[in-house]
Amino acid sequence: GNSVTQMEGPVTLSEEAFLTINCTYTATGYPSLFWYVQYPGEGLQLLLKATKADDKGSNKGFEATYRKETTSFHLEKGSVQVSDSAVYFCALGLSNTGNQFYFGTGTSLTVIP
Amino acid sequence: DSGVTQTPKHLITATGQRVTLRCSPRSGDLSVYWYQQSLDQGLQFLIQYYNGEERAKGNILERFSAQQFPDLHSELNLSSLELGDSALYFCASSVAGDRENEQFFGPGTRLTVL
Repeated sequence: GNSVTQMEGPVTLSEEAFLTINCTYTATGYPSLFWYVQYPGEGLQLLLKATKADDKGSNKGFEATYRKETTSFHLEKGSVQVSDSAVYFCALGLSNTGNQFYFGTGTSLTVIP
Repeated sequence: DSGVTQTPKHLITATGQRVTLRCSPRSGDLSVYWYQQSLDQGLQFLIQYYNGEERAKGNILERFSAQQFPDLHSELNLSSLELGDSALYFCASSVAGDRENEQFFGPGTRLTVL
């Protein structure tokens, strides 16, 4: 089946620390991969995406590389800020039937000054 | 602002009742998706419509139904409500139905069933 497994949280980091949130997936077919971010009280916002193997998505200092050999799409940021505190969701999109998205359970990140 | 609007923002109702949630997609987007977010189940895909037609179905209960109208707005109908239906309901839209198209999410409707 299709699924996304995400690193469990919550994660607490000090400002300027390095961030990694692990994400692995199983998929029938060739998925696109996404990271979404949800700030308190808001909807999900697209953070970055990659549509094929070895693609690197990047935005606002965050990066993730589509690794087909390890079926992974880990999110990284070199130096986190307090404003990065949010819940991060890894997702895969498939076109087998429509464009169904499968989301991970979300990882809550808190950055402390 | 994603360009996706959802109304109402909050809804409080009683068990056994029926409610309708409304979603307007981004201008030009043909595809609409509905999700349920709850603490115990995370973000669950419910259903997708593309240009008025049902395209994909996820974990949607029989008590729930949806439709997409000619102007592309969508409604999610929840009936015979139970306490466990209390959740955040998100609508999302995308340009088409391809796997490459990111989905843009609305701010959500928080449903509380008492």
